Amino acid sequence: NAGVTQTPKFQVLKTGQSMTLQCAQDMNHNSMYWYRQDPGMGLRLIYYSASEGTTDKGEVPNGYNVSRLNKREFSLRLESAAPSQTSVYFCASSEGLGRGHTEAFFGQGTRLTVV
Amino acid sequence: AQKITQTQPGMFVQEKEAVTLDCTYDTSDQSYGLFWYKQPSSGEMIFLIYQGSYDEQNATEGRYSLNFQKARKSANLVISASQLGDSAMYFCAMRTAGTASKLTFGTGTRLQVTL
Repeated sequence: NAGVTQTPKFQVLKTGQSMTLQCAQDMNHNSMYWYRQDPGMGLRLIYYSASEGTTDKGEVPNGYNVSRLNKREFSLRLESAAPSQTSVYFCASSEGLGRGHTEAFFGQGTRLTVV
Repeated sequence: AQKITQTQPGMFVQEKEAVTLDCTYDTSDQSYGLFWYKQPSSGEMIFLIYQGSYDEQNATEGRYSLNFQKARKSANLVISASQLGDSAMYFCAMRTAGTASKLTFGTGTRLQVTL
């Protein structure tokens, strides 16, 4: 079982460059999320998608855009990377609350460095 | 708005002892779920245990139990008989039905198990 697949695993960008982080899940989940993890800050929600066709801002959306391409895929785009976006990025998916065992499943993470 | 607070940045416990990791939450929603995740040094996010707001009994999963005190809005994780492999970051998280599946994390507690 693949679960949640994120690509790439590592990336180095120069300030001002753009890139897209890809995420796909094969569990037929409705909800998908993008988080960033920084030391001492826990996981902070960037954007989420409660269902196909909808996206909403989380705590720290500035500098990012997302696309829920279909039920399986949820991508995160950095249009003009900044050093402050150096972080570990996680994609996750889950069923909605109340539908059985509803934990979120995570990808392996993307370590992004912006120089 | 929903918020998760973990006040213990770091904890030490001796092998075979029990340890409690604190988590308090804040939400005005009546329907919500509480989660604990483990993140070892390898970086992956591992789901440990789930408690629904309407569950009358505290959740248990093997050596993990969740001490759920609804009136106090606390959801502490208890690990019994600690093992060296329990050394990791532990995150408490919450999702409310009213906010369309937004999953919010605390800042985490780093647990170190010693001999």
